[in-house]
Amino acid sequence: NAGVTQTPKFQVLKTGQSMTLQCAQDMNHNSMYWYRQDPGMGLRLIYYSASEGTTDKGEVPNGYNVSRLNKREFSLRLESAAPSQTSVYFCASSDHRQGNNYGYTFGSGTRLTVV
Amino acid sequence: GENVEQHPSTLSVQEGDSAVIKCTYSDSASNYFPWYKQELGKRPQLIIDIRSNVGEKKDQRIAVTLNKTAKHFSLHITETQPEDSAVYFCAATNTGFQKLVFGTGTRLLVSP
Repeated sequence: NAGVTQTPKFQVLKTGQSMTLQCAQDMNHNSMYWYRQDPGMGLRLIYYSASEGTTDKGEVPNGYNVSRLNKREFSLRLESAAPSQTSVYFCASSDHRQGNNYGYTFGSGTRLTVV
Repeated sequence: GENVEQHPSTLSVQEGDSAVIKCTYSDSASNYFPWYKQELGKRPQLIIDIRSNVGEKKDQRIAVTLNKTAKHFSLHITETQPEDSAVYFCAATNTGFQKLVFGTGTRLLVSP
């Protein structure tokens, strides 16, 4: 049982390049999320998917797109990377159905640097 | 939308002392309040959570209290140990246990 798997773990991009961060969970969770973590700012929600086939914007969606490929996979795409997108990105999943543990399970994170 | 404030940003204690971290939230409809611990270079991990129909919850050396009237909740760690050193995040949600809004974190340092 791997939980939430994120790839890659590290990435350096040049300004204007594009890339996709991959996330997969094997816990049969309905909801998946992408957060970014910056010093002193906690974790801020970029996009989330409440269930397969749905996605919605979070607090800081500009410059990002997402795809909920199936129940297991939720990818985050940077179309034209900017230095302001240098951050640590975390994918997470949760199961909000009544009676289950509501807490998030996080992936191990992707440290992205845009130069 | 929901807004969560967390204090203090840093907290230094001696081993064996107690530590308290406080959070306030803005949306009175929020109903779920988890706490996460993040060790250096690691992912955040859930350590305890509380729902709005409960005032206090304990798990060994950690406890969380919730005051719905004042819209604040706190994490209490007793008999702190060096391995408790980490960044702690509070969070809240008013959307059916989904879509957590996080506080800005508290760096706890426990000195031997």
